[in-house]
Amino acid sequence: EAQVTQNPRYLITVTGKKLTVTCSQNMNHEYMSWYRQDPGLGLRQIYYSMNVEVTDKGDVPEGYKVSRKEKRNFPLILESPSPNQTSLYFCASSYHNSPLHFGNGTRLTVT
Amino acid sequence: SQQGEEDPQALSIQEGENATMNCSYKTSINNLQWYRQNSGRGLVHLILIRSNEREKHSGRLRVTLDTSKKSSSLLITASRAADTASYFCATDAQASGNTGKLIFGQGTTLQVKP
Repeated sequence: EAQVTQNPRYLITVTGKKLTVTCSQNMNHEYMSWYRQDPGLGLRQIYYSMNVEVTDKGDVPEGYKVSRKEKRNFPLILESPSPNQTSLYFCASSYHNSPLHFGNGTRLTVT
Repeated sequence: SQQGEEDPQALSIQEGENATMNCSYKTSINNLQWYRQNSGRGLVHLILIRSNEREKHSGRLRVTLDTSKKSSSLLITASRAADTASYFCATDAQASGNTGKLIFGQGTTLQVKP
């Protein structure tokens, strides 16, 4: 089944403790992207990747890192999480200029 | 930066009625897409309309695009309780240089009462 898989679905952590949210797609998509969703602010793009080893900042990249060593994986790294990074995170993938396929989301709480 | 802005923010209708949501954007686009999100879940793509298209249909969905007004509308006909969800427009700005960067609006929350 074609899908985008994010893990974990829920995560509660403390300020400053490094964490990684994984994202994997099995559709051989070139394009992958991370979004955060906050009430009243909609979806905002954090980082995106056009292909392996090609990443670029979105609208809200501060405090996040990404890597694209393999085509299928696009992990989101929070080196030192802070409470303002408490949010619902979505990974998405697509062929270039085609509709996005979204994962089911990761709800992160940073205390 | 917000590109698409949906209107209204919230909409409540009775089952069987039609629901219309609007999206306005600021810069020239390659295409505009509509997505649906059930509460807390990932977004699901509904329909894509290219900048040289004016109208597109998919089942009970009808999307229009007016590039001169930089606006689009999504019409759901004969709504059902299962259509209750949030709906987002997303634009692929020409200025992004074909990077595929998609910018989402804040969404319209639709409630369809049985």
